[in-house]
Amino acid sequence: RKEVEQDPGPFNVPEGATVAFNCTYSNSASQSFFWYRQDCRKEPKLLMSVYSSGNEDGRFTAQLNRASQYISLLIRDSKLSDSATYLCVVNGDGLTFGKGTHLIIQP
Amino acid sequence: DGGITQSPKYLFRKEGQNVTLSCEQNLNHDAMYWYRQDPGQGLRLIYYSQIVNDFQKGDIAEGYSVSREKKESFPLTVTSAQKNPTAFYLCASSTRTGVSAGGSEQFFGPGTRLTVL
Repeated sequence: RKEVEQDPGPFNVPEGATVAFNCTYSNSASQSFFWYRQDCRKEPKLLMSVYSSGNEDGRFTAQLNRASQYISLLIRDSKLSDSATYLCVVNGDGLTFGKGTHLIIQP
Repeated sequence: DGGITQSPKYLFRKEGQNVTLSCEQNLNHDAMYWYRQDPGQGLRLIYYSQIVNDFQKGDIAEGYSVSREKKESFPLTVTSAQKNPTAFYLCASSTRTGVSAGGSEQFFGPGTRLTVL
């Protein structure tokens, strides 16, 4: 069975801190990777795609490690509005969603 | 504005009744998907469609049915055969066809929260 595993958290982080979390995947043939953000009782929204060379979008950095089969998301200078659940999504034989990591930014 | 709409936002039904959830998109996407999300769980694929008049079962299709008569519309019927229908239902669409089509990101509708009493 193809699996995508995430630490469910919650991660309680003070405002302004840097936080990082990983996601591991079991299908070595996976082709593409994404991080989605889901607010409470809302739909998931694409945060960023994850490229082989790593990519950055403002305070967010995503990286892929194919050898160890994980992707990571780093959030710098965290804001209260970053509080959400972050879903790791892997495309191998179809999209597989992780159960999400719950992040709480505290004032 | 382009996007995906789902209606209704909240739906209550009695046990044993069939119910149809609406999903419409004006993004001109070929592929559409239905997921179910339960509390503390990841999204699970119910059905997907790559093209009009064609659809495929996902991981948890039992007790559900779909149709794809128009490119813009992909309604989901939750039948009385579905044992635990209470859940958050999410519809999505993507630009590339096929579940294994190389990783095009999916865009989600706002979801329908179904409660069976």
